[in-house]
Amino acid sequence: AQSVTQLDSHVSVSEGTPVLLRCNYSSSYSPSLFWYVQHPNKGLQLLLKYTSAATLVKGINGFEAEFKKSETSFHLTKPSAHMSDAAEYFCVVSEYFGNEKLTFGTGTRLTIIP
Amino acid sequence: SQTIHQWPATLVQPVGSPLSLECTVEGTSNPNLYWYRQAAGRGLQLLFYSVGIGQISSEVPQNLSASRPQDRQFILSSKKLLLSDSGFYLCAWSEFKGGDPEAFFGQGTRLTVV
Repeated sequence: AQSVTQLDSHVSVSEGTPVLLRCNYSSSYSPSLFWYVQHPNKGLQLLLKYTSAATLVKGINGFEAEFKKSETSFHLTKPSAHMSDAAEYFCVVSEYFGNEKLTFGTGTRLTIIP
Repeated sequence: SQTIHQWPATLVQPVGSPLSLECTVEGTSNPNLYWYRQAAGRGLQLLFYSVGIGQISSEVPQNLSASRPQDRQFILSSKKLLLSDSGFYLCAWSEFKGGDPEAFFGQGTRLTVV
């Protein structure tokens, strides 16, 4: 069975400082991993995805994530936070074989301090 | 191109009334379809997913049901709404093409039960 744990429900950073949103996953097979962002009263937008190619994945808006199999982690980072990054972020796992269900983490709310 | 339509965008319903939310997808065939709910202050919870017509898996016991009468149509229903059914409902679909997973989301329905 697959699962995903987002370790922080709320993260606050100052504008211009680095962002780290943590995600750990559990999967019986080779997983695909995604990060989605949800701005207030909006749908979900794909930031980036990992699909067993390069372990360091670059996404939109300066975000990137690194797949670490030994640590079962897929943390999302950004070197310098911008006010427009304030949103809810979801880590998602999906398994290739036997179970192609998308499983979401509980989300991390990112607040940017001016 | 792949698109997903979900309606209505907002809905206010009295307690005890029925519910029907509809989701249709275009640009794909035999997708995996999902209904998620996001309650206030909480993450996305998977309610139902479907891997084919008439094949529905329920993730959590609840007052809701889902049906997939056609390949690209997914309906979320309730016979009698409860106050606790209020929330933001998202339809999604996913598929794997050549090992590359894709996931798409509707714009969501904000349901308020009064």
